Amino acid sequence: AQKVTQAQTEISVVEKEDVTLDCVYETRDTTYYLFWYKQPPSGELVFLIRRNSFDEQNEISGRYSWNFQKSTSSFNFTITASQVVDSAVYFCALSEITDSWGKLQFGAGTQVVVTP
Amino acid sequence: EAQVTQNPRYLITVTGKKLTVTCSQNMNHEYMSWYRQDPGLGLRQIYYSMNVEVTDKGDVPEGYKVSRKEKRNFPLILESPSPNQTSLYFCASSPGLPYGYTFGSGTRLTVV
Repeated sequence: AQKVTQAQTEISVVEKEDVTLDCVYETRDTTYYLFWYKQPPSGELVFLIRRNSFDEQNEISGRYSWNFQKSTSSFNFTITASQVVDSAVYFCALSEITDSWGKLQFGAGTQVVVTP
Repeated sequence: EAQVTQNPRYLITVTGKKLTVTCSQNMNHEYMSWYRQDPGLGLRQIYYSMNVEVTDKGDVPEGYKVSRKEKRNFPLILESPSPNQTSLYFCASSPGLPYGYTFGSGTRLTVV
């Protein structure tokens, strides 16, 4: 069963609009890590953020912010005032401690298209 | 420059012809992994390695082999490629928790 669900396949916005990407995960572990990666059109995978299950503080980095809610098993990602350079596929990923660390499971990704 | 290098970037091959995709990292990372990316399915883990001579299956290991004889190298071997292995492949490495994986640039494989 898929453990990371990104229900939004594609989101299209006009520049300067905010966009929120949903990520819902499933785990029985109490200790786990969540990640977001960005894949721009050039194809490389770029690490954006990691969060451990004990840290529910929201995080802001420039125009990016992340909302982690254990109660709903969600780790959502918001881009504020989107720009064309934000056009990319964004992946959410989960690593459970009881598995060997090397297992990092990804969601299907959300394609973000920002038009001028 | 710290990086994960995989080769080749592009490969077209025929069904049944054995091939190897190489992967090397220069960061002295313990962990390495292979993923494949297919439309609508995201990235799926094929194999991962926790150290030299220690490997384990990911979610889609069928049809693939790996080896980790040296810390820096983690080749992916397709002994008898089939068209359903046409995909974009990524190699990755990590020092372990709490860090995530650093990915290579990808290898686009087409099996005809």
